[in-house]
Amino acid sequence: EIVLTQSPGTLSLSPGERATLSCRASQSVSSTYLAWYQQKPGQAPRLLLYGASSRATGIPDRISGSGSGTDFTLIISRLEPEDFAVYYCQQYGSSPLWTFGQGTKVEIK
Amino acid sequence: QLQLQESGPGLVKPSETLSLTCTVSGGSISSSSYYWGWIRQPPGKGLEWIGSIYYSGSTYYNPSLKSRVTISVDTSKNQFSLKLSSVTAADTAVYYCAIPNIAANYAMDVWGQGTTVTVYS
Repeated sequence: EIVLTQSPGTLSLSPGERATLSCRASQSVSSTYLAWYQQKPGQAPRLLLYGASSRATGIPDRISGSGSGTDFTLIISRLEPEDFAVYYCQQYGSSPLWTFGQGTKVEIK
Repeated sequence: QLQLQESGPGLVKPSETLSLTCTVSGGSISSSSYYWGWIRQPPGKGLEWIGSIYYSGSTYYNPSLKSRVTISVDTSKNQFSLKLSSVTAADTAVYYCAIPNIAANYAMDVWGQGTTVTVYS
């Protein structure tokens, strides 16, 4: 079974700073099927990126993604107050068919 | 625009069956463009995919839950449902229904608000 490991567990940054989140897969993942979500307390997750780098509807261009094979990255170029949340990567295709990472919390420093 | 709403009992006793329904609005559950899925999140923890169903009736389950899970579609009501049998305290979670969108490379671009299910004795 595939495992997605996200790092760091918690990222403490100030508004305006750059956030770099990592997602590493235990086996190769097609970048076509790698997605990122944002979740705020008490809310459902929200799709940010699919296909590793394609932004979902309404997602600002300060949020970007890249990667291939087993290493993927989500970058928030300049943190806005609304960006402080938990972020999950997710893959489709390997068993379990949809798999999430354990999450990275971006908190205000 | 598609919208989802979960419904079902908030409390379930150990060893019983958890049953939830997701009502789809703004589109047809018979569309070939989407899968329909269930995801859960235990308190303070991450997301776990439970299973998904395609309009054709094909089902896909997380191997860790497969022996206890049934997902089905009711096209007459535009709903899909989750049944999880023999529940324990470990099944206490917020349960979400979501739509893996084929056009978004199977990413889940629509989510319900979630419903909390507590397994209690």
